[in-house]
Amino acid sequence: GDSVTQMEGPVTLSEEAFLTINCTYTATGYPSLFWYVQYPGEGLQLLLKATKADDKGSNKGFEATYRKETTSFHLEKGSVQVSDSAVYFCALSLQRSGNTPLVFGKGTRLSVIA
Amino acid sequence: GAVVSQHPSWVICKSGTSVKIECRSLDFQATTMFWYRQFPKQSLMLMATSNEGSKATYEQGVEKDKFLINHASLTLSTLTVTSAHPEDSSFYICSAPRGGLVYNSPLHFGNGTRLTVT
Repeated sequence: GDSVTQMEGPVTLSEEAFLTINCTYTATGYPSLFWYVQYPGEGLQLLLKATKADDKGSNKGFEATYRKETTSFHLEKGSVQVSDSAVYFCALSLQRSGNTPLVFGKGTRLSVIA
Repeated sequence: GAVVSQHPSWVICKSGTSVKIECRSLDFQATTMFWYRQFPKQSLMLMATSNEGSKATYEQGVEKDKFLINHASLTLSTLTVTSAHPEDSSFYICSAPRGGLVYNSPLHFGNGTRLTVT
């Protein structure tokens, strides 16, 4: 079945460090890919998305490129801040008709220390 | 601001009682809403898809008689955990796509409901 695998956390980084959170997927069709972020005490928010191969999603300094050949959608940020501390979820949605739910990875907790 | 409101944010109930969780889309109509359950340090697991005006679609392994879903209007879906037991303690999250197809529409999430059954 369709699934998302992302690196296990927690990930602890110093402020201004480079961040990579790996995400790979398995899908029976041609998925759209997403990164969601969950800040402490809040609901999930869409961080970025990409809907086709080689697309790059970006937001708030975060980037992820849809790599069909490696079935990956790794999240990167060049310089993290304390305010980036949150749980990050990689997810996919298959491009079928009707409303299809997201399939999520297990989430990666990021802690950024000053 | 939030576009999906979920209430309550937390609830503590006694074993055997029922708890209702509401999910409202605030500024758009949602013919479909999704209910997820999140266990500690685990992913969000889809429980069911709530469809306005029709029966919900449950995922395999989810007891539909235990987790009652009602999508009575285009802006409201409710999840009722009936005869709750301690193993039902979890974090429940609803979501709704603004627009038509999820893959091309922003999916908005409620802030979740922390249920603790004692």
